[in-house]
Amino acid sequence: GQQLNQSPQSMFIQEGEDVSMNCTSSSIFNTWLWYKQDPGEGPVLLIALYKAGELTSNGRLTAQFGITRKDSFLNISASIPSDVGIYFCAGQPDPAGGTSYGKLTFGQGTILTVHP
Amino acid sequence: DTGVSQDPRHKITKRGQNVTFRCDPISEHNRLYWYRQTLGQGPEFLTYFQNEAQLEKSRLLSDRFSAERPKGSFSTLEIQRTEQGDSAMYLCASSLSNGEQYFGPGTRLTVT
Repeated sequence: GQQLNQSPQSMFIQEGEDVSMNCTSSSIFNTWLWYKQDPGEGPVLLIALYKAGELTSNGRLTAQFGITRKDSFLNISASIPSDVGIYFCAGQPDPAGGTSYGKLTFGQGTILTVHP
Repeated sequence: DTGVSQDPRHKITKRGQNVTFRCDPISEHNRLYWYRQTLGQGPEFLTYFQNEAQLEKSRLLSDRFSAERPKGSFSTLEIQRTEQGDSAMYLCASSLSNGEQYFGPGTRLTVT
């Protein structure tokens, strides 16, 4: 199935460092969502973005909805060990584009490892 | 806890057996989604309900798969004649109409 291009695939960083990851698509999305998933668990919603150019923060996390509506970025500042996990971007299609409204298309995930 | 719940969390079955999973969404959410996730991949959409109506099904959902949401509340996903390729994490999510989907903990299916 279709997936977004998410990069990097994995990151190994030291505690305290900042992290950046991004997601690109060939299709326009109406909504961008960022999730974190721990092993054996379901994805947990971190941030939702609804407007092109929107910049939204949730604690140490900041995400942006690209102005072309085809990309999104997630930054984590001052990483801590509990940030370890897999981060997924997800896009929801533009309902005016004739594609299904509601279903999410996910990236392949970014595996984040934080060394204390 | 008022989040999305799924049951069972783990299921091991032999090839050819039928399995059924249950999802209880957040109570006021009218939309319910099923996704499948294999190792190293993001979740992939399977099907979507608005209230009790199943409005979309992915081509991933073969005729061995059936989903229901009879009263617009909980949903079930049944897989008939399971195959080893069905082994995956099955995730349920729910939302209001604003697009923020909240996921349950998933059901891990292993077909031996």
